[in-house]
Amino acid sequence: SQKIEQNSEALNIQEGKTATLTCNYTNYSPAYLQWYRQDPGRGPVFLLLIRENEKEKRKERLKVTFDTTLKQSLFHITASQPADSATYLCALVQGSNYQLIWGAGTKLIIKP
Amino acid sequence: GAVVSQHPSRVICKSGTSVKIECRSLDFQATTMFWYRQFPKQSLMLMATSNEGSKATYEQGVEKDKFLINHASLTLSTLTVTSAHPEDSSFYICSGPQGNEQFFGPGTRLTVL
Repeated sequence: SQKIEQNSEALNIQEGKTATLTCNYTNYSPAYLQWYRQDPGRGPVFLLLIRENEKEKRKERLKVTFDTTLKQSLFHITASQPADSATYLCALVQGSNYQLIWGAGTKLIIKP
Repeated sequence: GAVVSQHPSRVICKSGTSVKIECRSLDFQATTMFWYRQFPKQSLMLMATSNEGSKATYEQGVEKDKFLINHASLTLSTLTVTSAHPEDSSFYICSGPQGNEQFFGPGTRLTVL
């Protein structure tokens, strides 16, 4: 079965630097992959979607890459800010009804 | 983006009682909604897929008689935790798809004493 792996250890980044988070999956390449942000005690919030035929997607300070050969997606936040501190979740779509398979998330801490 | 609401946001109940959680899509119709449970520092675990007008589909290991799901309309799905026990204490989140995106409710923190 498909599994998603994200670094379970918190990532500490100095403000202003670029934060890079990794998402690896084990089996088939999904049609598309999504990244979400989750703050403590809140539901996830959609950030970006990248399709298997797209190498890179950008949105403001966010950039996502998708390498189907490596079975990996990278999520970058440039010019990071303390407000970017949150847990970031990677998810793959499974099935025709948009059921998602989730990674455990990586906690990002941006230090001022 | 689309908005999903959940009610209540927090609930504390005694062991053995039942708790109902509502999930509403405020500005879109959802024939399908998903119910998740999340324990501290863990990933979202899909419990069931709620289908409007038909029975919910439960994930392996989730008791359908304990977690009753009713998808009464295209904008409302409810999850009832029956005879709740302390081990049911968790963060329950619903979501509804629109296009390729999932829109999540703010979650319900359930504490069973």
